[in-house]
Parts: sequence; C-alpha cells; structure tokens
Amino acid sequence: RKEVEQDPGPFNVPEGATVAFNCTYSNSASQSFFWYRQDCRKEPKLLMSVYSSGNEDGRFTAQLNRASQYISLLIRDSKLSDSATYLCVVIRSRYGGSQGNLIFGKGTKLSVKP
Amino acid sequence: NAGVTQTPKFRILKIGQSMTLQCTQDMNHNYMYWYRQDPGMGLKLIYYSVGAGITDKGEVPNGYNVSRSTTEDFPLRLELAAPSQTSVYFCASSADRTNSPLHFGNGTRLTVT
Repeated sequence: RKEVEQDPGPFNVPEGATVAFNCTYSNSASQSFFWYRQDCRKEPKLLMSVYSSGNEDGRFTAQLNRASQYISLLIRDSKLSDSATYLCVVIRSRYGGSQGNLIFGKGTKLSVKP
Repeated sequence: NAGVTQTPKFRILKIGQSMTLQCTQDMNHNYMYWYRQDPGMGLKLIYYSVGAGITDKGEVPNGYNVSRSTTEDFPLRLELAAPSQTSVYFCASSADRTNSPLHFGNGTRLTVT
C-alpha cells in the first residue's frame, strides 16, 4: 500500500458544483498535512494547510480525520479557474526511506466545465 | 519577494553533456529539496539538504550530484546527460522539518536528445 493515496480522477464537474477530494495516508506518525494546487506545466503552489479542527479559506474547506487517517478538500461553487491537479502532502514526524519526510500524493485532476 | 529562484527555465542538452541547475532562496530556509516530475507523473525526490554542508539522497539520485555550501544555494549537477533525464526539475525549500510547507521554484524544463 502506498503511504499516501489519492483518487487520480479526472473529476469533471460543471461550474458551480461542489466537489470533494480525499487523500488517505498510512503512517499514523504523520504530523502535518497540506493541499497543493498544480496547474499544467507549472510548479505546485500551496493551497492550504490542514488542521485537526478543520479550516476554511473562502470556497475551500480542508479537514483532517486522524482516526481514519485521511484528509479532505471541499471546493464549493467551482470556477473554471479551479481546473488543476490537487496534490496532498503528508509530513512524517521523522525522516525515513528515500522520500525524505514529505510524502506527496500523485494528485487528483479536476476539470471544471462551463 | 523572490522566494525560490531557479535558472535556467529551459534547456536542451545533447546526450553526454553536463549542466548545473541553479536554485537559490532568500527566505533563510535550512531545508532544500530537488524534485523531478515526468509528464503526467508525480514528484520524485532526487536529493535534499537539511542545512549548509549536509545533503542526502532521495528516491532517484542516480546521475545527479548536489552541493550545499551556503544556506541560500542548492545547485543540482547533471553529469553525462541521458534521455531518461528529460523532465521538469523543481527546487523547493522549507523553514523546518515537520510543520512548514514547501515553497517551490518555477521549475527548469530539461530535454536531453
């Protein structure tokens, strides 16, 4: 089982839709969690950190479920400009293995259509 | 507010040539990373550094070398370029090991023919 797993999609949704992505992780010692957005042929950009209490930034809501070991990202009122690949990142509490201590999911592709 | 700066943005190499991808950050971050991303694929860690003078191998270090003589700079050296090294290379930095997100440079798009 991969340490961090995401549904690759693509998620094809109409403008205005609400869409949710999940990201599961297997290492219970994982300490910090982030969602990144990556546009085609561009660098990943930090979208938001994920806190245990859940956090919201405008149309975006991130949640962490430590008991079930997953994080989620909810996008409300989708815009055409939300079309991108969304990466989850999990930081282990200590280095281990060849990936260092930051583990990236492979990303979920979102396509918002008019 | 430069953040992480990578040069060059694009480069075409012939098989067997060498080059250095430059990465510099102005945020005084101790942690720096080099990733490669092949088309349609995820990020793979090449090398990382936890501070000046300290580097370590990531998942795909073969064919690459790094150095970290200063906090700001973390160059990636390709010796004897091969077509398999055609990829987009991202440099990133972070303030600490466990709580801070990565800040990425704009990437270097490398083609080896």
